[in-house]
Amino acid sequence: GENVEQHPSTLSVQEGDSAVIKCTYSDSASNYFPWYKQELGKRPQLIIDIRSNVGEKKDQRIAVTLNKTAKHFSLHITETQPEDSAVYFCAANDSGYALNFGKGTSLLVTP
Amino acid sequence: DAGVIQSPRHEVTEMGQEVTLRCKPISGHNSLFWYRQTMMRGLELLIYFNNNVPIDDSGMPEDRFSAKMPNASFSTLKIQPSEPRDSAVYFCASSRSGSSNEQFFGPGTRLTVL
Repeated sequence: GENVEQHPSTLSVQEGDSAVIKCTYSDSASNYFPWYKQELGKRPQLIIDIRSNVGEKKDQRIAVTLNKTAKHFSLHITETQPEDSAVYFCAANDSGYALNFGKGTSLLVTP
Repeated sequence: DAGVIQSPRHEVTEMGQEVTLRCKPISGHNSLFWYRQTMMRGLELLIYFNNNVPIDDSGMPEDRFSAKMPNASFSTLKIQPSEPRDSAVYFCASSRSGSSNEQFFGPGTRLTVL
């Protein structure tokens, strides 16, 4: 089955700096790669996703890049703010209906 | 739209008791997923349904766990008997059919088994 590896597991940055989280996947058939943000005590919520027919997607301060050849994708957050502090999960779809999630990255943005 | 609804939000029970978690997916969504989240194991997919039919239950940890989806608007996850190691947050999520569609998560049920 699909295996999604995510790193780093924790990341601390200063407000205003950029944060990058990287994921790799194993199934070359995967074609959908969402990123979820989970604040403490809350549910995971989608922040951005990318499909395999594009290499990059941007939404304000958030961008995701995809390298299908290397089977890795990354989340980039620019001009980080304290409210960006949360756990971020990457995921990749499998051949069925499911998503396989990475273990999560705990991002702390310090003022 | 009310989003995915889960009940109860918190459950505290004693070891050996039966626990039933409930989920109402978003109307019009054909796929429903049950996840378990712990610090140690992260977000684990337990089982998912498409059009009320279980597609993959390979993530269900043991026979003590069972899930049903009797109709398009309701699903249950049952643990019997419960054990302390079952303590976790259980999320239900739903999506339109197909794995390339956004999954919407419910608020979760925090289960504590004493």
